[in-house]
Amino acid sequence: AQSVSQHNHHVILSEAASLELGCNYSYGGTVNLFWYVQYPGQHLQLLLKYFSGDPLVKGIKGFEAEFIKSKFSFNLRKPSVQWSDTAEYFCAVSRNTGFQKLVFGTGTRLLVSP
Amino acid sequence: GAVVSQHPSRVICKSGTSVKIECRSLDFQATTMFWYRQFPKQSLMLMATSNEGSKATYEQGVEKDKFLINHASLTLSTLTVTSAHPEDSSFYICSARDRGATRSYNEQFFGPGTRLTVL
Repeated sequence: AQSVSQHNHHVILSEAASLELGCNYSYGGTVNLFWYVQYPGQHLQLLLKYFSGDPLVKGIKGFEAEFIKSKFSFNLRKPSVQWSDTAEYFCAVSRNTGFQKLVFGTGTRLLVSP
Repeated sequence: GAVVSQHPSRVICKSGTSVKIECRSLDFQATTMFWYRQFPKQSLMLMATSNEGSKATYEQGVEKDKFLINHASLTLSTLTVTSAHPEDSSFYICSARDRGATRSYNEQFFGPGTRLTVL
């Protein structure tokens, strides 16, 4: 069965600091990879996704993620965070076949102090 | 962008009663909808996959008689928690996949969630 692990449960940063959130998955086949964000009181929104091609994926709001197949990783990065990035971030994986069900990681709660 | 709504946003009920939660895709048709459950400070756990016009597919460990899912149309899926108990209190989230998307992967769009509290 697929599983997703996010190493950081809580991250606290000051504005303008750089961000990297780790995500590792376990599945040997072809996968699609995602990062979702949940701002306080709001629904999940897609930040970025990887299907194939360039392993460096750029998403909305200045976020990017790099797929490293040999490490089964898909880490999220942002060079300079803002207070408005305070949210919970979820990494997710789906197979490339069937219902393409999403398996989520446990989430990382990011707090950016002004 | 694609919008998914859920109703109600919050519900409080007495133990033993049933609660129905609606999930609607507002500006697209969704042949597939997903129901998730999120416990406090935990991740989303997929409960079931709902397909229009057919029976839902439940994940292992999810009681199909407890969590009834009906996907009656291309824009509506309902989750009914039957004979609810305090341990069913949770945040229930649905997502919908756009039937009209032509990409190899059809993105899921998430609803805002329904917080269920069973007293």
